[in-house]
Amino acid sequence: EVQLVESGGGLVQPGRSLRLSCATSGFTFNDYAMHWVRQAPGKGLEWVSGISGNTDSIHYADSVKGRFTISRDNAKNSLYLRMNSLRAEDTALYYCAKDKKRGWDAFDVWGQGTMVTVSS
Amino acid sequence: DIVMTQSPDSLAVSLGERATINCKSSQSVLYNSNNKNYLAWYQQKPGQPPKLLIYWASTRESGVPDRFSGSGSGTDFILTISSLQAEDVAVYYCQQYYSTPLTFGGGTKVEIK
Repeated sequence: EVQLVESGGGLVQPGRSLRLSCATSGFTFNDYAMHWVRQAPGKGLEWVSGISGNTDSIHYADSVKGRFTISRDNAKNSLYLRMNSLRAEDTALYYCAKDKKRGWDAFDVWGQGTMVTVSS
Repeated sequence: DIVMTQSPDSLAVSLGERATINCKSSQSVLYNSNNKNYLAWYQQKPGQPPKLLIYWASTRESGVPDRFSGSGSGTDFILTISSLQAEDVAVYYCQQYYSTPLTFGGGTKVEIK
């Protein structure tokens, strides 16, 4: 069974940093692109960042470019999101999502999410 | 960036009746070399992560009931629930994966009338 489990969320002050992790199992991790998608309380879905299986292609939403860094450790079957200079508007539930195929594709598996709250 | 616009924002449909959700992209998401529309639909129930329903605009994901169907091409797409069931109450999102940044529509909330 394919599983994605996010961790690392919490309450953080504006301007501080946080690192999210997504532990995966049940599929050949390095074969698939992976993504982070967030959802502010009561709002819709916003794609944050994606990374290809071999890390040669990385993309970010404009809202996080220069502040967030996506990475992956294929040996550990894990995806990460380093978030710096956090703002109140970054408050959201952060989901890890798996691409359906090798390239940029629909997201066929999602984790349960980890909540990030940015507040003083 | 490709902007995805869904309509309506919400709709109430009687059990057993048809529900139709529209999604319009600000530019075509049809890739001419393979004739595929890079458009997906997701269902999100309260307290749950999104679930993939449809990809390539009209291909149903494994395990998704056949009352869900997707249609359209280019910039205009439709998700149809042919006979609404109580368990279909949710918010539905369209998404383009044609180009980065990947973008979602604002969502359509489906309720029972």
